[in-house]
Amino acid sequence: EAQVTQNPRYLITVTGKKLTVTCSQNMNHEYMSWYRQDPGLGLRQIYYSMNVEVTDKGDVPEGYKVSRKEKRNFPLILESPSPNQTSLYFCASTDMMNTEAFFGQGTRLTVV
Amino acid sequence: SQKIEQNSEALNIQEGKTATLTCNYTNYSPAYLQWYRQDPGRGPVFLLLIRENEKEKRKERLKVTFDTTLKQSLFHITASQPADSATYLCALDLYGNNRLAFGKGNQVVVIP
Repeated sequence: EAQVTQNPRYLITVTGKKLTVTCSQNMNHEYMSWYRQDPGLGLRQIYYSMNVEVTDKGDVPEGYKVSRKEKRNFPLILESPSPNQTSLYFCASTDMMNTEAFFGQGTRLTVV
Repeated sequence: SQKIEQNSEALNIQEGKTATLTCNYTNYSPAYLQWYRQDPGRGPVFLLLIRENEKEKRKERLKVTFDTTLKQSLFHITASQPADSATYLCALDLYGNNRLAFGKGNQVVVIP
């Protein structure tokens, strides 16, 4: 089954404690991206990657890092989380024919 | 600035009627436009893609139109059912590399 898998689904952490949200896809897609979704603000792109070792900033990259060492994985790293990063995060992957984006099930992060 | 606008007010509609949603955009010349469905707390799910040279696209009870002159897409759900209740998002490809920018979404509530 084609899918994008994020882990964890829920995470409560404290300010400043480094964390990683993993994302893996099994569709051999070149393109992957991370979004955050906040009430009233909609989905905003954090980072995207067009292929292995190729990443670029989206609209709201501050406070986040990503890496793309393998095609299937695209982890999101918060080196020093702050309460304003409390949000619902989604990973997505797309093939290079620019058709549909497949989204993960989401990670609800709370930073206290 | 670039904008994608969807109606922020929920659309309440009687079962069996046609729901029509609007997506307006400014300062874009997208090669295509996509529509997604999102249920609470879950990732968006792709519904339809329409390209700039297509006026209309259909999929089962869904119909999308795309007017590049008006910079507007209309999304129709015909013979609506309670199971169609969800938030519907439109998305535009900013640079032709699937850097999708999303509208904030429009909630549809189908009343039995």
